[in-house]
Amino acid sequence: LAKTTQPISMDSYEGQEVNITCSHNNIATNDYITWYQQFPSQGPRFIIQGYKTKVTNEVASLFIPADRKSSTLSLPRVSLSDTAVYYCLVAERNYGQNFVFGPGTRLSVLP
Amino acid sequence: KAGVTQTPRYLIKTRGQQVTLSCSPISGHRSVSWYQQTPGQGLQFLFEYFSETQRNKGNFPGRFSGRQFSNSRSEMNVSTLELGDSALYLCATNRDRAAQETQYFGPGTRLLVL
Repeated sequence: LAKTTQPISMDSYEGQEVNITCSHNNIATNDYITWYQQFPSQGPRFIIQGYKTKVTNEVASLFIPADRKSSTLSLPRVSLSDTAVYYCLVAERNYGQNFVFGPGTRLSVLP
Repeated sequence: KAGVTQTPRYLIKTRGQQVTLSCSPISGHRSVSWYQQTPGQGLQFLFEYFSETQRNKGNFPGRFSGRQFSNSRSEMNVSTLELGDSALYLCATNRDRAAQETQYFGPGTRLLVL
């Protein structure tokens, strides 16, 4: 199983760019990397997904190096409402949909 | 389109009782996965159903079971409740079982076992 490792917590200030890195040394060839955001007492919400290189959408960018053993979620100009837990998830294709969530990174955005 | 619906949203039970939780997926979604979330253990995969068949199961005791109906709605059941079963139970759905399919999570059912 491809396990993931993320920082437990991060602090940032409004307007700054935040980068959260996830390590997944045992990622399989067909695995995708997905990031989710979760607010208290709510289900996780999809942010971005990628396989290799760089993916960008309206809320974030995802950087994946060539060896795919890590990935970095980049949140531009964070606001207070970005305070949440961010999960890096590696899809376990060999195990069907047995997604393995990492411990998550608790991001606190300060004014 | 409507999102993932979970009922009930909150539930209080006592030890030894059993509980059934329901998840209605987004229209067209055939895969339903269940997760348990606790402060100590984080998000843990329970099981996944696709086309009424359980495809994968996490590392939980047999007291945790589930099923899926022909309309893709899913239920999970926990028998002989223990205090440690207090958690937020989340279901997530997607169209099929491809790894690149995004999961859409419901709001969860918060279960408190007294």
